[in-house]
Amino acid sequence: AQSVSQHNHHVILSEAASLELGCNYSYGGTVNLFWYVQYPGQHLQLLLKYFSGDPLVKGIKGFEAEFIKSKFSFNLRKPSVQWSDTAEYFCAVKGSQGNLIFGKGTKLSVKP
Amino acid sequence: GAGVSQSPRYKVAKRGQDVALRCDPISGHVSLFWYQQALGQGPEFLTYFQNEAQLDKSGLPSDRFFAERPEGSVSTLKIQRTQQEDSAVYLCASSPGWTGPYEQYFGPGTRLTVT
Repeated sequence: AQSVSQHNHHVILSEAASLELGCNYSYGGTVNLFWYVQYPGQHLQLLLKYFSGDPLVKGIKGFEAEFIKSKFSFNLRKPSVQWSDTAEYFCAVKGSQGNLIFGKGTKLSVKP
Repeated sequence: GAGVSQSPRYKVAKRGQDVALRCDPISGHVSLFWYQQALGQGPEFLTYFQNEAQLDKSGLPSDRFFAERPEGSVSTLKIQRTQQEDSAVYLCASSPGWTGPYEQYFGPGTRLTVT
């Protein structure tokens, strides 16, 4: 069965620090990968997605992720975080039925 | 345009009560998904509809859980004889299609607390 692992449960950074959140998935075939973000009190929204093509994917709000097939990874990065990036971040892979299989999430706290 | 809406936003039920959770997807979206999110966890898949057809219900945790989408738009997730372990946030998501580079659009969720 497909699964997603997010290595960090809670990350605390100061503003302007660089961010990298780890995500590994288990499926070895063609994958569709996503990063969703949940700001406090808000619903899940899409940051970026990878379906095919350029493995470096750019999303909203300056986020990017790199698909590395050989490492089964899809890490999320941002060069300089802001206080407004405080949120919970979820990595997900698309399952065979079109459903999303999520990791447990990483809570990011950015200190002003 | 309007996003996915869910009601009620919060529901407190006594153990043994039946509850019904409603999802209004984005107009025209063919696919509709239900997820359960326990505290501190990522969402977990419950069931999936393509129009009015329930194509996968493998994630429903027990036969107390039932979902329907009779006219291919609004969906209802029903939980019978609620138990404390049913306490969670129930998320609904819709998508324009099933295959293809489609994202899922999530509603705000219904937080169910069983006492």
